[in-house]
Amino acid sequence: GAVVSQHPSWVICKSGTSVKIECRSLDFQATTMFWYRQFPKQSLMLMATSNEGSKATYEQGVEKDKFLINHASLTLSTLTVTSAHPEDSSFYICSARGSTQRNTEAFFGQGTRLTVV
Amino acid sequence: QKEVEQDPGPLSVPEGAIVSLNCTYSNSAFQYFMWYRQYSRKGPELLMYTYSSGNKEDGRFTAQVDKSSKYISLFIRDSQPSDSATYLCAMTFTGGGNKLTFGTGTQLKVEL
Repeated sequence: GAVVSQHPSWVICKSGTSVKIECRSLDFQATTMFWYRQFPKQSLMLMATSNEGSKATYEQGVEKDKFLINHASLTLSTLTVTSAHPEDSSFYICSARGSTQRNTEAFFGQGTRLTVV
Repeated sequence: QKEVEQDPGPLSVPEGAIVSLNCTYSNSAFQYFMWYRQYSRKGPELLMYTYSSGNKEDGRFTAQVDKSSKYISLFIRDSQPSDSATYLCAMTFTGGGNKLTFGTGTQLKVEL
């Protein structure tokens, strides 16, 4: 149980275009979803937290107009990188937590490798 | 100073060795401690979950927490090549928004 699926696993896009990444909880209802960014050989950096039906809470330094997060249902959250630039190239990972899990536990998707050219 | 410090490695050991991975932290409020395993180009997978100080064992894995020293460890017995991955420690506390603070990860390679 507690499977989180993230799609796509990798994407290459042109500078200036937008990219949408999906995160789905397959066997539980995700009341909270987290979006992280990870640079090579660095830790996961939390970008934002979203609760179903509410606006996402962004971490300091994360541009909410650039990284649009939608958590419209209990099984789906999306991250849209708008007007992507090469410096946005990174590994993006979502995690999800449901009401039946410990409130300090979350399960991760497979990650999305974004390359902006 | 980072909130969570973890030696990035890489750490290379022969098959069958006992592996010791460690993290230190500065925030005494942390109560919940986790170890994740991350294979290359994949998301992290939860290995161990521990609350407060003490030991927890699960198969070949043992997690230790020493809150007085702000030091946590993960031991892997009889290491296998399939254990080759990056191991991330993470921690959080109730009231901290349940956000996880991660170490940078230690890259482990178990060689035949």
